[in-house]
Amino acid sequence: IQLTQSPSSLSASVGDRVTITCRASQGINKFLLWYQQKPGKAPKLLIYTASTLQSGVPSRFSGSASGTEFTLTINSLQPEDFATYYCQQVTNYPLTFGGGTKVEIE
Amino acid sequence: EVQLVESGGDLVQPGGSLRLSCAASGFTFSDHYMDWVRQAPGQGLEWVGRIRKRANSYTTEYAASVKGRFTVSRDDSKNSLYLQMNSLKSDDTAVYYCARVDTTTYWVDPWGQGTLVTVSS
Repeated sequence: IQLTQSPSSLSASVGDRVTITCRASQGINKFLLWYQQKPGKAPKLLIYTASTLQSGVPSRFSGSASGTEFTLTINSLQPEDFATYYCQQVTNYPLTFGGGTKVEIE
Repeated sequence: EVQLVESGGDLVQPGGSLRLSCAASGFTFSDHYMDWVRQAPGQGLEWVGRIRKRANSYTTEYAASVKGRFTVSRDDSKNSLYLQMNSLKSDDTAVYYCARVDTTTYWVDPWGQGTLVTVSS
């Protein structure tokens, strides 16, 4: 299953609302994860089953799904949110990741 | 505190072998599937392989790029996960992460800090 993530990068300001999309090449039954990765660090799980917030993750992060299109939304972007975000499908093997979206300061 | 610590990364020549380890603590290791994921320098994430738990006969899954060369194993008595890498190629150069998997919702969390494998002559 291929995951097409868009955009590959974006520039935004603190306080902005940011939306990242991940499109699957076939149905994945909402078994989609979203991660945040900062330089030199391991990825951190934000959301699982497309829309469930992992414990400890701020509520400004949210996920949604419509068919094979999945969205990560960050409401009111904070300075610590500038990072790279990845989606991953965990339905079919081999498991696959999207190409990543780098969120940079405008 | 749930913690995963990888070790064993090194510089190895093409065609060589290496074994990575992942020490788990702070949770019941035997209750979870475990994953290996890698990230080449400056690149995105690539899933490498998974091992299920004893109740699922410790079965494994692999990415096509490593199948037949890499083997994932575990020792529940030592709370440890392993990745045996053979016939290494320059394309295998990456930071290798281990990660815990939930067997109901399949979330993957946490990840270890990673260990660097460099394949070069």
